Amino acid sequence: NAGVMQNPRHLVRRRGQEARLRCSPMKGHSHVYWYRQLPEEGLKFMVYLQKENIIDESGMPKERFSAEFPKEGPSILRIQQVVRGDSAAYFCASSPFDIGADGYTFGSGTRLTVV
Amino acid sequence: AQSVTQLDSHVSVSEGTPVLLRCNYSSSYSPSLFWYVQHPNKGLQLLLKYTSAATLVKGINGFEAEFKKSETSFHLTKPSAHMSDAAEYFCVVSVMNRDDKIIFGKGTRLHILP
Repeated sequence: NAGVMQNPRHLVRRRGQEARLRCSPMKGHSHVYWYRQLPEEGLKFMVYLQKENIIDESGMPKERFSAEFPKEGPSILRIQQVVRGDSAAYFCASSPFDIGADGYTFGSGTRLTVV
Repeated sequence: AQSVTQLDSHVSVSEGTPVLLRCNYSSSYSPSLFWYVQHPNKGLQLLLKYTSAATLVKGINGFEAEFKKSETSFHLTKPSAHMSDAAEYFCVVSVMNRDDKIIFGKGTRLHILP
């Protein structure tokens, strides 16, 4: 079991470009969460998805950000027209239906740098 | 290397009594430490964080935690439990350097008895 796979590990974009971050959950996990982390700020929840459904997007900025988790393939966090303030580490986590001990697994993150 | 150990997978307390959720960590660097809470069908919510300032950290909903370097502990406490505190709690070590590291504990399920 390869765990939660995120790619790319590092991503550099110029202001105004689009950034696409990918997350493949653990085998058997159908729930995906995206978080953003700024230095010393801790994780900030963005969105919670199940296959083909957005369950909770209360943490997503209203503009430029979108997320999907299609029936086949990885979950994608998409940031359009990136700005310097989007520079951060973005973490994805997956879980099976019941959250509990050993049930919540994070990927290694994608470090987005906007230049 | 960094690691986090949450000593109890389940904790049950009666409503109105104190809560103690234990966390021990190890880190080669000066870490930031966090406690998060997760309710069903919700993402993680930050309760509090320690980032090398005051060792006693106050968070939301009446929770607090004390960073004890000598004991490598960061236990979460609350004087009086409420039914709405029933959830999963995660202790986290974070090291933000060239290779971002975020290490989650395995979680503690808090049960509140009426």
